[in-house]
Amino acid sequence: KAGVTQTPRYLIKTRGQQVTLSCSPISGHRSVSWYQQTPGQGLQFLFEYFSETQRNKGNFPGRFSGRQFSNSRSEMNVSTLELGDSALYLCASSTIFMTGGATEAFFGQGTRLTVV
Amino acid sequence: TQLLEQSPQFLSIQEGENLTVYCNSSSVFSSLQWYRQEPGEGPVLLVTVVTGGEVKKLKRLTFQFGDARKDSSLHITAAQPGDTGLYLCAGSPARFGNEKLTFGTGTRLTIIP
Repeated sequence: KAGVTQTPRYLIKTRGQQVTLSCSPISGHRSVSWYQQTPGQGLQFLFEYFSETQRNKGNFPGRFSGRQFSNSRSEMNVSTLELGDSALYLCASSTIFMTGGATEAFFGQGTRLTVV
Repeated sequence: TQLLEQSPQFLSIQEGENLTVYCNSSSVFSSLQWYRQEPGEGPVLLVTVVTGGEVKKLKRLTFQFGDARKDSSLHITAAQPGDTGLYLCAGSPARFGNEKLTFGTGTRLTIIP
């Protein structure tokens, strides 16, 4: 069974540009969540999608957005990149909502975004 | 907002020693997971505990969920260099609703050969 796949693995962008990251969840998993990980802030929740609907959102500005397709694949977009957006962006999939109840998240390897 | 605080933040010990990492919160969680993350990789799930007082063992790793489901610990016996990594606890809230999985602050463990 293939794991969670994130593309690309590494990305370098210039301040002000926009970027789109992709995540393919484990087959059969319908919930996809996105996290930002930085040395200073740790793992911060961005948003969660289930059946193409955003179910929950973290405390990030509107420049961060996402969507989920009918095949459960998800994308996140960051517009008008800032230097502080440099981070490891992780995607996690789950069979059920990643909200409430016993939930296990399976993570991808992440996309390392560097904004210069 | 539910917070999970882990201690210690950093731990460096010699191979063969024992250690315990703690995950504490003032909030109740319906379940708690432990993950290990290596540099440049995503976190990998180690275990899920769901019952207050539950103890689970995974080879040399022992996980315990507090009776009140507000805290957890991870004990490693005879640590090995392969145990090096960032250990993260993560909890789901006790009440149902659209609430996100909360991750702890992390413990960076280094095992010195």
